[in-house]
Amino acid sequence: AQSVSQHNHHVILSEAASLELGCNYSYGGTVNLFWYVQYPGQHLQLLLKYFSGDPLVKGIKGFEAEFIKSKFSFNLRKPSVQWSDTAEYFCAVNALRDDKIIFGKGTRLHILP
Amino acid sequence: KAGVTQTPRYLIKTRGQQVTLSCSPISGHRSVSWYQQTPGQGLQFLFEYFSETQRNKGNFPGRFSGRQFSNSRSEMNVSTLELGDSALYLCASSPSGSYNEQFFGPGTRLTVL
Repeated sequence: AQSVSQHNHHVILSEAASLELGCNYSYGGTVNLFWYVQYPGQHLQLLLKYFSGDPLVKGIKGFEAEFIKSKFSFNLRKPSVQWSDTAEYFCAVNALRDDKIIFGKGTRLHILP
Repeated sequence: KAGVTQTPRYLIKTRGQQVTLSCSPISGHRSVSWYQQTPGQGLQFLFEYFSETQRNKGNFPGRFSGRQFSNSRSEMNVSTLELGDSALYLCASSPSGSYNEQFFGPGTRLTVL
């Protein structure tokens, strides 16, 4: 069965630290990939997406993600986090052949001021 | 442009009852998807509607159903409620479907007693 794994359930960092959140999926076909973010008290919103082309994609607020097809991974990165990045982050995979979308269980990121 | 709206925001029901949740997408968006969010399972895809037709369905029992109207508004119905149906139900709209650029609503918090 298709699945999406976010290995870190809860991450605590200090401001200015570098961030990398892992996302791995199990699906052998063509995929579209997404990272969503949910800030406290706000709706889920799209952070970035990958459909094709350059495997390094840039999103809002200085986030980027790299698609490594051989590793079935789409890790989210930010070189220097801010207190305002405190949120829950969700990775999602859309398997194109059957047009399903599967979300990871989320990673809660807490940035210490 | 107004965002995705969901009504009601909070709902308390008892086991065995049924419930109908409503979602109004962003104007011009023809695709509406529904998700169930729980602490243990994260976000799980329920179904997607596009131009009044159900295009895709997740792995939920037949007690969960939905429909979409000609103005793209969508409703989700859950019959014979169970305790395990307690969750946040999210609606997302998209201009063209295929989970591209989904805009999420605030959700309806359903509690089943």
